[in-house]
Amino acid sequence: LLVESGGGLVQPGRSLRLSCTASGFTFGDNAVVWVRQAPGKGLEWVGYLRGKAYGGTPEYAASLKGRFSISRDDSKNIAYLQMYSLKMEDTAVYYCSVEDLWGQGTLVTVSS
Amino acid sequence: IVLTQSPGTLSLSPGEGATLSCRASQIISNGYLAWYQQKPGQAPRLLIYGASSRAAGIPDRFSGSGSGTDFTLTITRLEPEDFAVYYCQQYDNTSINFGQGTRLEIK
Repeated sequence: LLVESGGGLVQPGRSLRLSCTASGFTFGDNAVVWVRQAPGKGLEWVGYLRGKAYGGTPEYAASLKGRFSISRDDSKNIAYLQMYSLKMEDTAVYYCSVEDLWGQGTLVTVSS
Repeated sequence: IVLTQSPGTLSLSPGEGATLSCRASQIISNGYLAWYQQKPGQAPRLLIYGASSRAAGIPDRFSGSGSGTDFTLTITRLEPEDFAVYYCQQYDNTSINFGQGTRLEIK
């Protein structure tokens, strides 16, 4: 099971950290992927964090590089998506996924 | 890599067959192409990975095929629960890309 949390209403320019909590399996062995979906739009890849066996390093969508950061706390079995300098166009439902398992998503609304 | 799905919308009746296309702007190596189904208010559901392998629990009326730059998702004998939006996804060591989606609607 994957559960995202941390979404909500945030002002433009502010930061927000989303969490993805895993249960029933060990997070660190797997790559975790973040995907977002703006209202009424398609799926957009945000980034991913490789599993430990592949170095645990991140990759990001080119358009988001520098503003978004993915990390993981293996002791808590939680992955994070840290978002900086948020823009209105970052408004979306944010999903985390591991292999074929997806969370229910958490809505981030960037608005003044 | 840009993925272009066609058609944008497909109107069919239950019991009919559906063919959805996904064309890539570059060759997708190792068949790293997946298909997802998404229903309103739900997270995407993995149907096919590796271009042609069905994910766990996916009915055999769903099949994937293709290689290189052209891939197809085929759904035989549409069931009412199959009407949804379908996305193709390319994945490799450094990036993931999604197509814009095909909406499969009831005629």
